[in-house]
Amino acid sequence: DQQVKQNSPSLSVQEGRISILNCDYTNSMFDYFLWYKKYPAEGPTFLISISSIKDKNEDGRFTVFLNKSAKHLSLHIVPSQPGDSAVYFCAARSSGSARQLTFGSGTQLTVLP
Amino acid sequence: EPEVTQTPSHQVTQMGQEVILRCVPISNHLYFYWYRQILGQKVEFLVSFYNNEISEKSEIFDDQFSVERPDGSNFTLKIRSTKLEDSAMYFCASSEASIGAGEWFFGPGTRLTVL
Repeated sequence: DQQVKQNSPSLSVQEGRISILNCDYTNSMFDYFLWYKKYPAEGPTFLISISSIKDKNEDGRFTVFLNKSAKHLSLHIVPSQPGDSAVYFCAARSSGSARQLTFGSGTQLTVLP
Repeated sequence: EPEVTQTPSHQVTQMGQEVILRCVPISNHLYFYWYRQILGQKVEFLVSFYNNEISEKSEIFDDQFSVERPDGSNFTLKIRSTKLEDSAMYFCASSEASIGAGEWFFGPGTRLTVL
């Protein structure tokens, strides 16, 4: 089941630069998307979300972009900080199953000082 | 800041034994969930719970699994007869909202090891 795909298992960026994490989905019933950050031995921590009726949502250093026609979303982190180093998960909720999230496989972000 | 808590952090059990994983959701939240992550794999949905009953469950959540909210604060996941393939991190989550922009808050997880 690959309804939510994060094709890059890892990404390294320099501190202060932009980090761009990508996510693709196949299920056109998805109507809400979320990004989570996860440190080792901790649960996923909510970062930012976007409804399918929007194409952009911004919260501080984090911006999520949604391209519905391409079934693609991305998370931009500007500027990147060493504390941002973690695994980032894209997740989606279907309008037909509103109580469950489908997760991508995650991208390990490393921000180099 | 309110948080979801889970106990124990690590549970080791023998195959065939019953285990109960415990969670305390955020106090004003109404929706509760269990997810799991097998090592090296995706986080997978198991079950959602609202108003003292299961609202959705995945195909993973078979008859060996059950959930309960025994006392108004705890939310438990029971596995009746554990199998080796049940070894995973189990995450509890809760959310406030129904349909709409509700954030799911996750606990730190319980690592279940089945020997």
